[in-house]
Amino acid sequence: QQPVQSPQAVILREGEDAVINCSSSKALYSVHWYRQKHGEAPVFLMILLKGGEQKGHEKISASFNEKKQQSSLYLTASQLSYSGTYFCGTVILIKAAGNKLTFGGGTRVLVKP
Amino acid sequence: GAGVSQSPRYKVAKRGQDVALRCDPISGHVSLFWYQQALGQGPEFLTYFQNEAQLDKSGLPSDRFFAERPEGSVSTLKIQRTQQEDSAVYLCASSLEGRLSTNEKLFFGSGTQLSVL
Repeated sequence: QQPVQSPQAVILREGEDAVINCSSSKALYSVHWYRQKHGEAPVFLMILLKGGEQKGHEKISASFNEKKQQSSLYLTASQLSYSGTYFCGTVILIKAAGNKLTFGGGTRVLVKP
Repeated sequence: GAGVSQSPRYKVAKRGQDVALRCDPISGHVSLFWYQQALGQGPEFLTYFQNEAQLDKSGLPSDRFFAERPEGSVSTLKIQRTQQEDSAVYLCASSLEGRLSTNEKLFFGSGTQLSVL
């Protein structure tokens, strides 16, 4: 049930772009994206719901293709502050009592000057 | 408080010892989640509370793991007879209502790093 993220790691120069993918074998209801810096708490970036919407946070945006059961995170004109590990979290069960996030293994991003 | 608070920040235990990890969620948040994060891995779900009710404990790896939230606020994750494979960062997260299928996000604490020697 764990979503699969790719690539596992990426190294960028400041100003370059990157794409992180998140795929699930199960039908997705929503996808969450979080970024975690070393030794710190994961920090929320954005949520994408069914409907193929695209969202943005600073110069970070994401899309959600529910037919393909995948989401992509786009880092545009990367900044040094974008370094960290990015996790997608997927919600696949709809229960009246609540839902849980299942996280992927993460993508480590290093932005160099 | 301003955010999710976890204590202790670091815990070293000898194999076989019992440990208790505390989570203080954001005031007013109904839902509370515990995750286990091994080195270099993504967080793995352990258990979920809505107020004081433990609605999902499917991720607890064994009966040595026990979590409670008796008054619907502070939660404690207890691990009995710790083993080396229990070494990990234990993350706590809270959300306002737990409706993760909508626009609700998780607020994470910085975690407790448990090392079992």
